Amino acid sequence: DAGVTQSPTHLIKTRGQHVTLRCSPISGHKSVSWYQQVLGQGPQFIFQYYEKEERGRGNFPDRFSARQFPNYSSELNVNALLLGDSALYLCASSFRDGNQPQHFGDGTRLSIL
Amino acid sequence: AQSVTQLDSHVSVSEGTPVLLRCNYSSSYSPSLFWYVQHPNKGLQLLLKYTSAATLVKGINGFEAEFKKSETSFHLTKPSAHMSDAAEYFCVVSERGFQKLVFGTGTRLLVSP
Repeated sequence: DAGVTQSPTHLIKTRGQHVTLRCSPISGHKSVSWYQQVLGQGPQFIFQYYEKEERGRGNFPDRFSARQFPNYSSELNVNALLLGDSALYLCASSFRDGNQPQHFGDGTRLSIL
Repeated sequence: AQSVTQLDSHVSVSEGTPVLLRCNYSSSYSPSLFWYVQHPNKGLQLLLKYTSAATLVKGINGFEAEFKKSETSFHLTKPSAHMSDAAEYFCVVSERGFQKLVFGTGTRLLVSP
């Protein structure tokens, strides 16, 4: 079975641009979460979606937004990119909400020039 | 608020010797605790989780962790290190019933021949 897939794997943008990152959860998983991992640090929670509704939001500015589609895939959008947005963006999926094991993708490496 | 403190940023062991990675947690509620491993340029893999059942938790690849409420600790151990164990290890806490994971800063495990 396919795991969590994220696209693209690498991305280079310049300051002020906009970016969309995509995530396909494991088949049958209805919850998707997004995390930002800056180099040398642990991942930080950005969003969680379950059944297409936002269930949690971390301490990130409004430049960050996300949505979940009827097929449970998800997009993370970041506007007005800053140098500090350079990071590995990780997507995790789980079967349902609550304390379910979360399965992570390999991430999208975003570099801002 | 929940948090975890990983007491060592780097741990070096020789192949075949025991591994100890230390983690202390802080939580206002009964926490769920996890250990994740991250190999270079990869996503996160769940090693084990504690959710209020047995205090000694066995995970994959020979790892185990013991939940000690009196010490607010959740240390990760393995009797005998293997070269393939070299990676970054994250101690993680979440509030029971919620998906948001709070990660520690990570411990890099180095294994020498």
